[in-house]
Amino acid sequence: DVKVTQSSRYLVKRTGEKVFLECVQDMDHENMFWYRQDPGLGLRLIYFSYDVKMKEKGDIPEGYSVSREKKERFSLILESASTNQTSMYLCASSRPAQRQPQHFGDGTRLSIL
Amino acid sequence: GESVGLHLPTLSVQEGDNSIINCAYSNSASDYFIWYKQESGKGPQFIIDIRSNMDKRQGQRVTVLLNKTVKHLSLQIAATQPGDSAVYFCAENLGGGADGLTFGKGTHLIIQP
Repeated sequence: DVKVTQSSRYLVKRTGEKVFLECVQDMDHENMFWYRQDPGLGLRLIYFSYDVKMKEKGDIPEGYSVSREKKERFSLILESASTNQTSMYLCASSRPAQRQPQHFGDGTRLSIL
Repeated sequence: GESVGLHLPTLSVQEGDNSIINCAYSNSASDYFIWYKQESGKGPQFIIDIRSNMDKRQGQRVTVLLNKTVKHLSLQIAATQPGDSAVYFCAENLGGGADGLTFGKGTHLIIQP
């Protein structure tokens, strides 16, 4: 079974802090993704990566950056956290071939005070 | 179907009955579709997928139907069990590859004893 692990289930940070969310997958997947999930808005893609050191903007990249230094690890960075970034953050990974399902971690619920 | 506002559409069924969850997708160029199940406090879990060259695919107790003419996707769950209680999302992918998925807002399936 694919295992996608997000380092924290719950996180509380303050406005203006730099926040790191970590994600690790154990299936040697090339593709990795970060989404946020909000009531009424569903899941929205922030950034994705299809290889080490590669990154692509998703639908809502503003206020975020990412890092992919190793294949198994994909980090989401909130450069200067704001209250509107309070959300559930979900990491996913998939194989590189077309039409492959993405496999998700259990999420990090981030609160910015 | 798709939800508006903060409340998900809800489908309530009796234990043992069949459930049908519907989804309208947006892009006629989408060629790959996935159904996910999300239980409270967990990330989305892959259930079943279907490519656009098919109109039906069956799994264990689940069937996905695709109607490209009206851009409609449905998930049928046979003999619904208490463990099927969750939010169900459809997702579409435009042309495969590393692009993120576009998710529907979900339907909350409630199983009545």
